[in-house]
Amino acid sequence: GAVVSQHPSWVICKSGTSVKIECRSLDFQATTMFWYRQFPKQSLMLMATSNEGSKATYEQGVEKDKFLINHASLTLSTLTVTSAHPEDSSFYICSATRLGEQFFGPGTRLTVL
Amino acid sequence: AQKITQTQPGMFVQEKEAVTLDCTYDTSDQSYGLFWYKQPSSGEMIFLIYQGSYDEQNATEGRYSLNFQKARKSANLVISASQLGDSAMYFCAIALTGTASKLTFGTGTRLQVTL
Repeated sequence: GAVVSQHPSWVICKSGTSVKIECRSLDFQATTMFWYRQFPKQSLMLMATSNEGSKATYEQGVEKDKFLINHASLTLSTLTVTSAHPEDSSFYICSATRLGEQFFGPGTRLTVL
Repeated sequence: AQKITQTQPGMFVQEKEAVTLDCTYDTSDQSYGLFWYKQPSSGEMIFLIYQGSYDEQNATEGRYSLNFQKARKSANLVISASQLGDSAMYFCAIALTGTASKLTFGTGTRLQVTL
């Protein structure tokens, strides 16, 4: 099957610092990746669509200057949370599409102190 | 915009029994896909089953089946012969055809399987 990895699996940082989360498709190329955010006991909310070689498309209400997305290759997309604050603490999940099917990464738990 | 409604925040079922998790959806598009995912406490999203809007037969995958009623815009998940390992959050989701699988999720149902 198709495997998607995320790194790190969890991260704790101080308020005001930036955190980079990587999403990799290990055994397939993905022209499109998605980034979701999930607050405790809530659903997954789509943050942005990441397309290889072009700018990401952000959902309404998501600050593109705060959540920087780079999709530099067909197997790697990165999400950088800039100047993180406690309210950014959440579970961030990426997914990659192959032939219309979506494969999810294991998620990254971010805690901002 | 699409919307998924899951009205059951939590469900209990005894081991070996069947359980139905409800899902209704709202979209003005004619071509779409409906998905169910399982999320255990580890957080990973596990794909369970898919139903296309033009599929006339209800989808089945092992112990999972999808009760698709297009006119009522419902896509309920039926889990037969529940197992303790089925305890998890279950999310229903919709994606419009041609959107590269951009998913809109419901709020989820927490299923607890008891002995």
